[in-house]
Amino acid sequence: DAGVTQSPTHLIKTRGQHVTLRCSPISGHKSVSWYQQVLGQGPQFIFQYYEKEERGRGNFPDRFSARQFPNYSSELNVNALLLGDSALYLCASSLSSGRKETQYFGPGTRLLVL
Amino acid sequence: GQQVMQIPQYQHVQEGEDFTTYCNSSTTLSNIQWYKQRPGGHPVFLIQLVKSGEVKKQKRLTFQFGEAKKNSSLHITATQTTDVGTYFCAAGRFNKFYFGSGTKLNVKP
Repeated sequence: DAGVTQSPTHLIKTRGQHVTLRCSPISGHKSVSWYQQVLGQGPQFIFQYYEKEERGRGNFPDRFSARQFPNYSSELNVNALLLGDSALYLCASSLSSGRKETQYFGPGTRLLVL
Repeated sequence: GQQVMQIPQYQHVQEGEDFTTYCNSSTTLSNIQWYKQRPGGHPVFLIQLVKSGEVKKQKRLTFQFGEAKKNSSLHITATQTTDVGTYFCAAGRFNKFYFGSGTKLNVKP
């Protein structure tokens, strides 16, 4: 079975641009969470979606948005990119949205903002 | 703000030595999870602790959840070079998930 997949693997953007990152969860998983991991730090929670609805939101500005599709895949959008948005963006899938669910992470998208 | 604090930030050990990382929270946790991230990789789930005072073992790894459910530890006995990576604790609260800052383990052969 395929694990969590993310695309693209790497991305270079300039300040002010917009970016869309994509995630496909493990088959049968209905929840997707997005994290930002800056070099040397732990993952920071951005969003959680379950059954196409937002179930949790971290402390990120409104420039960050996401959505989940009927097939449970998800997109993370970031507008008006800043240099500080450079990070590894991780997607994690789980069976449901509970706090005790095991999260399975994808390989991530490395975003560099110049 | 940071919900879970993790120490130490770095640990360098000689192969065969033991290693421990600690995770602390100011609030009572319903559960805690541990993840390992190899250099250049993504976090991989290791284990979840739910019960007060719970102890779980995975080969050379021992995980503990404090009696008050506010702290946890991961202990590795006789480290090997394959243990290299960053170990994170993580907890869920109010539909958000909080990861510790991680402990980066380096093992010298």
